[in-house]
Formats: sequence, C-alpha cells, structure tokens
Amino acid sequence: DIQMTQSPSSLSAFVGETVTITCQTSQDISNHLNWYQQKPGKAPKLLIYEASSLEIGVPSRFSGSGSGTDFTFTISSLQPEDIATYYCQHHYYPNLRFTFGPGTKLEIK
Amino acid sequence: VQLFDSGGGLVQPGGSLRLSCTASGLTFRSYAMMWVRQAPGNGLEWVSAITGSGTITQYADSVKGRFTISRDNSQNTLYLQMNSLRAEDSAVYYCAARLRTYGMDAWGHGTTVTVSS
Repeated sequence: DIQMTQSPSSLSAFVGETVTITCQTSQDISNHLNWYQQKPGKAPKLLIYEASSLEIGVPSRFSGSGSGTDFTFTISSLQPEDIATYYCQHHYYPNLRFTFGPGTKLEIK
Repeated sequence: VQLFDSGGGLVQPGGSLRLSCTASGLTFRSYAMMWVRQAPGNGLEWVSAITGSGTITQYADSVKGRFTISRDNSQNTLYLQMNSLRAEDSAVYYCAARLRTYGMDAWGHGTTVTVSS
C-alpha cells in the first residue's frame, strides 16, 4: 500500500495568515488526492478533489496543488472557523480503495 | 443528500454488530458507498467500499475476513456486518458516498462502536 505523510502534524497561526500543509506519498499517484476538513465532533468534509479542484460551496481561500508524490494544501487569509484537523486522502484509481494521511491539527493563535 | 448511519453500541470482544446507513436525496443505486472509522483521538481510517450495483467490494487489511459490506438498493440502505470484534475496532463509524468526484462527497453523522467486556 501507498504510505502517506503530512506535515506539520499540528500548527498554530494568526487570523489572516496564509497556512500551508504538505502531503507526501510513497509512490506516484498522479493527481488522485483529496483534502478534507474535520471539525471537532463532526464528520469530515471534502474541500479539494483531484489535488486542485475546489468542491462546490467551499470558500475560495482554500486551494490545493501538486502531482505525483508531493501535494500542498493552502488556506489564504485564515479565519476563526477554519479551526479543524485537515486530512489528505489518496483514492486508488480505478479501484475503490482509499488511504488517509495522518492529519494536521490547525489552531488559531 | 442525507446519510443517516445507525446501529452502533457496546459489544463484547468476539461479538458481532451490524451498522446501517440510510440514504435520501440521491439515486442510491448509482453511487459507490464507503465506511470510514475514527478511533478515539485518532485519525481517519478507510474500512470498506462497495460499488453502486454491489458487485465489487473492497476491504482494509485490518478488517478483511471479519467485516462484510453490503447494500439493499431497494431500501436505499448500506450495511456493515462486523464479526469477531476486537477492542481496536472501537471507533466512530461513518458512512460516505462518492457522488460527483473520486473522493467522499457526502458523509453520515457517525455511529459509535465500543468493543469492551
């Protein structure tokens, strides 16, 4: 199975700052990577699919980039409601198998 | 689209439990469905998936041979039969749907499974 790492595991930033999270995979996965936001006590929510496509209804301050083994998730102008844990996820195409990254916990300073 | 997962509870090690996920607002048979779990204080772990027709299923190695995913498209319901449960299976279990993307577009609220004597 493909191994996934995320960094940092946690971070703290000020409102208005730009925040960047990276996700690395052990093998080339093309653009088969998604990003999720999970707020405490809630189900995850899909934010970015296929590495860089913004899910419908998600604010444009969220963005993703990358291909192959290195991916980046960015929140520009951090808002208080963005406090959450963020996960990258690989979907094995065309098989229905998935792997989640370990997550990045984001806090507001 | 709404997904309502249910069936969680307290079960002894070695016991069984069946989770259900009832869907509304979608043509259920058209979409692949998944189960994802999250142990207390831990990250997300994909558990199992099934195609819209139910003909193809996939399992994480951690549950293969013990869990069975199935669906009843006439009842818009997804199931997860969990046998030989272990303490490490204790988690919140979410059902999820793959609607428009190759990710998990819609999620249930989760149902809690506790395996303990």
